[in-house]
Amino acid sequence: AQSVTQLGSHVSVSEGALVLLRCNYSSSVPPYLFWYVQYPNQGLQLLLKYTSAATLVKGINGFEAEFKKSETSFHLTKPSAHMSDAAEYFCAATSSNTGKLIFGQGTTLQVKP
Amino acid sequence: EPEVTQTPSHQVTQMGQEVILRCVPISNHLYFYWYRQILGQKVEFLVSFYNNEISEKSEIFDDQFSVERPDGSNFTLKIRSTKLEDSAMYFCASSLRTSGETQYFGPGTRLLVL
Repeated sequence: AQSVTQLGSHVSVSEGALVLLRCNYSSSVPPYLFWYVQYPNQGLQLLLKYTSAATLVKGINGFEAEFKKSETSFHLTKPSAHMSDAAEYFCAATSSNTGKLIFGQGTTLQVKP
Repeated sequence: EPEVTQTPSHQVTQMGQEVILRCVPISNHLYFYWYRQILGQKVEFLVSFYNNEISEKSEIFDDQFSVERPDGSNFTLKIRSTKLEDSAMYFCASSLRTSGETQYFGPGTRLLVL
């Protein structure tokens, strides 16, 4: 069965530092992969997605992620954290033709001044 | 920009009562979903819906749950007899297609069963 694992439920970085949020997937077929962000009292907003085109995917707000099949990973990075990046981040995968998304457990990003 | 809306934002109910959670998906989308997130746990898939039929459901989605698209705009999730463990945030989502298409999520309904 497909699963998604996010390493680290809480990540804390200083403003201006590199952000690295980890996501690994297990799947019998190459999945489509997504990163969503959730700000307090809001729904999930798509940051970026991988759909088997370029392995390095650029998203909104300066985030990017690299699909590495050999490592079954899709880690999210941003070179320089901003206070407004503080939120919860979810990695998700699907290989279902019904669109069913499998989510990781989420990572709360804290940005310190 | 079009968005998915959900009502109510919060609902408190007594165990055993029926609740209906409402969603208005993006107007030209064809695929609709419900997910839930119990506090402190993962977002979990409940059901996907296309062409007025359930296309996939999880093991969580038992006979107590049902979905409906009663008109051209609303998409509802009904829980017939709520249990304490149904307390969660329920998210509606919609997409134009499946297979890698972006799902757009609503802000959620927080359901508390007492």
